[in-house]
Amino acid sequence: QSALTQPASVSGSPGQSITISCTGTSSDVGDYKYVSWYQQHPGKAPKLMIYEVSNRPSGVSNRFSGSQSGNTASLTISGLQAEDEADYYCSSYTSSSTSVFGTGTKVTVL
Amino acid sequence: EVQLVESGGGLVKPGGSLRLSCAASGFTFSNAWMSWVRQAPGKGLEWVGHIKSKADGGTTDYAAPVKGRFTVSRDDSKNTLYLQMYTLKTEDTAVYYCSTGYYYGSRDFQHWGQGTLVTVSS
Repeated sequence: QSALTQPASVSGSPGQSITISCTGTSSDVGDYKYVSWYQQHPGKAPKLMIYEVSNRPSGVSNRFSGSQSGNTASLTISGLQAEDEADYYCSSYTSSSTSVFGTGTKVTVL
Repeated sequence: EVQLVESGGGLVKPGGSLRLSCAASGFTFSNAWMSWVRQAPGKGLEWVGHIKSKADGGTTDYAAPVKGRFTVSRDDSKNTLYLQMYTLKTEDTAVYYCSTGYYYGSRDFQHWGQGTLVTVSS
């Protein structure tokens, strides 16, 4: 199972919106509605931001939203803030009953 | 409040074995699917394996790099998850996290422990 493909880095100015893509296959992202997104600050454990493609856990800002089209899922951060600067990972359940993470994206707030 | 506390990490030589534990509290452990996720120094997240609840069969699944070398198990009477690692390789060096989902049986990783560092080196 290969890692899902994410851009290595995405940047934006405060207040702007950015989108991170996560590309898989028909055996993972394209086959299940079990795509999730994680934010990780240096030295910290990851934090769940989106589950099941587009659902936000309680306590997560509504500036974060998720979507999916075919084999590609996306995370959009609107109204970018300095605290959003972090690494972001997608994950998907697979047809083999395993899970796989994305390659990770470093978000920089300019 | 959900708490996951890993222990058992340390320095081990290539070819050696190690067992990690994850003590859980604040939720009904026996109902939860439990996972191990690792992160090598300066690298991304890598799913290691999971064990389903007994109600869902109690079965295990593993990532290809660890299949046949690692075993995930659980003791519901002790609210504890385990990761037995055999034939360790230098590329297994990582922080190992235990995790469980947003709801029982969900395929995401909502709750995380603080992680335990495993270093495989001669």
